[in-house]
Amino acid sequence: NAGVTQTPKFQVLKTGQSMTLQCAQDMNHEYMSWYRQDPGMGLRLIHYSVGAGITDQGEVPNGYNVSRSTTEDFPLRLLSAAPSQTSVYFCASNLQGTPYTGELFFGEGSRLTVL
Amino acid sequence: AQSVSQHNHHVILSEAASLELGCNYSYGGTVNLFWYVQYPGQHLQLLLKYFSGDPLVKGIKGFEAEFIKSKFSFNLRKPSVQWSDTAEYFCAVTKNTGFQKLVFGTGTRLLVSP
Repeated sequence: NAGVTQTPKFQVLKTGQSMTLQCAQDMNHEYMSWYRQDPGMGLRLIHYSVGAGITDQGEVPNGYNVSRSTTEDFPLRLLSAAPSQTSVYFCASNLQGTPYTGELFFGEGSRLTVL
Repeated sequence: AQSVSQHNHHVILSEAASLELGCNYSYGGTVNLFWYVQYPGQHLQLLLKYFSGDPLVKGIKGFEAEFIKSKFSFNLRKPSVQWSDTAEYFCAVTKNTGFQKLVFGTGTRLLVSP
């Protein structure tokens, strides 16, 4: 199993550009989520999904969009990138429909810089 | 809303020193508690977790944590650190009833000097 795979690992954008961070897991996990990690602020939840077709907002959803058309994939879209979105983004998944009963499995992260 | 506080942002220790990292949470109900570790250049990995039962939880690599309900705390400990423990440590909390989001603390950077 590959686990949680994120692409790209690095990306530089100009303000106003759009892009999609890809996340895929091959563990048949129901729960998937996106976090951003910023110095001194820890990890903050952007969006999450408890299963295909179901998504919800986390702590910092503004400027981001998600969809969950399959169990395996959970892409994160930046519609119009802003310098405040410069961060490291982590995708994480969990086997059950909720995260609290088990371990979150993290991808290796995607480092995004917005100029 | 739930919140998690990690008061030590940076900790520097020598090898063989004992470690205790503080974690306090704000939610008053039943919670599930986690410690995650992020080694340099790597993704987060679960160190240990507490759901119920014995409040002293043992994790990987000699780490343990104690849940003290009355203090809303879940401190991480290790009797003798090694250089390889240099990493960033995150405490995380979620409610035990119904679906809730996993909320992370701001993290503690540990540097162990050889």
